[in-house]
Amino acid sequence: KNQVEQSPQSLIILEGKNCTLQCNYTVSPFSNLRWYKQDTGRGPVSLTIMTFSENTKSNGRYTATLDADTKQSSLHITASQLSDSASYICVVSKMNNNAGNMLTFGGGTRLMVKP
Amino acid sequence: NAGVMQNPRHLVRRRGQEARLRCSPMKGHSHVYWYRQLPEEGLKFMVYLQKENIIDESGMPKERFSAEFPKEGPSILRIQQVVRGDSAAYFCASSQLAGQNTGELFFGEGSRLTVL
Repeated sequence: KNQVEQSPQSLIILEGKNCTLQCNYTVSPFSNLRWYKQDTGRGPVSLTIMTFSENTKSNGRYTATLDADTKQSSLHITASQLSDSASYICVVSKMNNNAGNMLTFGGGTRLMVKP
Repeated sequence: NAGVMQNPRHLVRRRGQEARLRCSPMKGHSHVYWYRQLPEEGLKFMVYLQKENIIDESGMPKERFSAEFPKEGPSILRIQQVVRGDSAAYFCASSQLAGQNTGELFFGEGSRLTVL
């Protein structure tokens, strides 16, 4: 069964600190892995997309890593800001035809950054 | 270039009524996807449409739910005879390329349905 598991479920850190969110998946065959940020009451916004051949990708203070062998990804947030408080969703895409149900969403990690 | 537009943002219905959720994709995008998000849960795929065609509706309940993406106008997700379990946030996403596995997806802000 295609699954995406994220940990921790929730996390509280102090402003300015770093943190790392984890994502393990069993989706196969693998096409790409995406990290989204979802603010409360808003739609998800893409942070990074990584294909099989990419090990790391950065977007400002966000750095995502991918180990396709162990089927693990992480999202590292550097020098956290209050505005980083949100849910971070790991989404894995299955390589297939153009059918719609190719994305498997993780349950998300709820991050709260406190001053 | 406006993003994905969804309306209404909030909708309250009584059990048995109908709910219609609308989604206008980004300019130039002809692929639309609908997802449902229950409180404290992840997004679940419902349906994938292109203009005038339903490509994949495997995630949509067979009864009471329907979706369309006409040649002109927004995509519509229609829920008939709503029940309390339909209360959720419904997100629309659009892409320029075919298939979720290739194209960047852009999400709307969602429509939050509350069934009393």
